[in-house]
Amino acid sequence: GQNIDQPTEMTATEGAIVQINCTYQTSGFNGLFWYQQHAGEAPTFLSYNVLDGLEEKGRFSSFLSRSKGYSYLLLKELQMKDSASYLCAVRPPGNNRKLIWGLGTSLAVNP
Amino acid sequence: NAGVMQNPRHLVRRRGQEARLRCSPMKGHSHVYWYRQLPEEGLKFMVYLQKENIIDESGMPKERFSAEFPKEGPSILRIQQVVRGDSAAYFCASSPPAGSQNEQFFGPGTRLTVL
Repeated sequence: GQNIDQPTEMTATEGAIVQINCTYQTSGFNGLFWYQQHAGEAPTFLSYNVLDGLEEKGRFSSFLSRSKGYSYLLLKELQMKDSASYLCAVRPPGNNRKLIWGLGTSLAVNP
Repeated sequence: NAGVMQNPRHLVRRRGQEARLRCSPMKGHSHVYWYRQLPEEGLKFMVYLQKENIIDESGMPKERFSAEFPKEGPSILRIQQVVRGDSAAYFCASSPPAGSQNEQFFGPGTRLTVL
């Protein structure tokens, strides 16, 4: 079976740092993705982790620990436009490229 | 390079009618995925296709739903005899044929409303 957990909602202040956690219990693992989705729009790719460690890309970083089944997305210097849902997704092992999604974390950035 | 295109963007159907949703992947992409999203819920995988082949349809309801990705033309998600519970946003995504990351690029979605 596959189970992916994220907090439902988070609130943060403009200019601050926020960490969004994702835990997964899946039968096999072949990479973890983070996507951003603004209300009424399509998801857009943020990051990909397949090995343990931190991947940094500008204001956004993503961390993975495969032994703990745990990832987080770190957003620095928050801006109002970062208010969106952040979706964690896992790719099953082998050649199957489908993604299994968490329910998403709705982040509200306040002034 | 145009992104993933989906049409129509909005579709209204009455119960019992058929809905046909189209998806044109990014140029050079041969892998297509369909996902369904209900309001305030996450994305649910439906089907994964390569040109002319269904790779994984484990997320598709057994009845009324079908998908294809022909050699020429867009991928089609077809819902027969729609019911109110089919109302949702349907997203198509595509990825290139090779590479290890294979991020999926999403289209703008088709919002289906069943009256």
